[in-house]
Amino acid sequence: EAQVTQNPRYLITVTGKKLTVTCSQNMNHEYMSWYRQDPGLGLRQIYYSMNVEVTDKGDVPEGYKVSRKEKRNFPLILESPSPNQTSLYFCASSSGGGETQYFGPGTRLLVL
Amino acid sequence: GQNIDQPTEMTATEGAIVQINCTYQTSGFNGLFWYQQHAGEAPTFLSYNVLDGLEEKGRFSSFLSRSKGYSYLLLKELQMKDSASYLCAVRDRDNAGNMLTFGGGTRLMVKP
Repeated sequence: EAQVTQNPRYLITVTGKKLTVTCSQNMNHEYMSWYRQDPGLGLRQIYYSMNVEVTDKGDVPEGYKVSRKEKRNFPLILESPSPNQTSLYFCASSSGGGETQYFGPGTRLLVL
Repeated sequence: GQNIDQPTEMTATEGAIVQINCTYQTSGFNGLFWYQQHAGEAPTFLSYNVLDGLEEKGRFSSFLSRSKGYSYLLLKELQMKDSASYLCAVRDRDNAGNMLTFGGGTRLMVKP
């Protein structure tokens, strides 16, 4: 089954404790991206990747890092999480830039 | 840059027709997407328009006017399960990576 998976689905952590949210897709898509979704603000892009070892900042990259060592994986790293990073995070992949994006199930993060 | 506007909330009655509008401003328009998102779930693709006119897909239709920077999503024979948020997203060829920018979403409530 073609899908995008994310782990964990739910996470409660404390300020400053490094965490990683994994994202994996099995559709051989070149493009992958991370979004955060907050009430009233909609989906905002954090980082995106056009291919292995090619990443770039989206609209709200501050406080986040990503890597793309393999085509199928695109982890999101929060080196020192802060409460304003409490949000719902979605990973997405597509066959090309701007093509139909397939979203993962979401990761709900609470930073205390 | 891009600016995408949608109504925040709409209410409609089961069996009726509802039209959700989206206006956008972009320097290099290259396609418009509509996604459906149920509460707490991932967005799922509904429709794509790149040329002017109406695209029909079952109970859902999407219209685009590039000269007016305007699109609408038309939902016919509304069902209770259509209660969800509807996201308008624009592809801009001037965006590095040609990724999508999302509007804030329209929350549709279908009442019996």
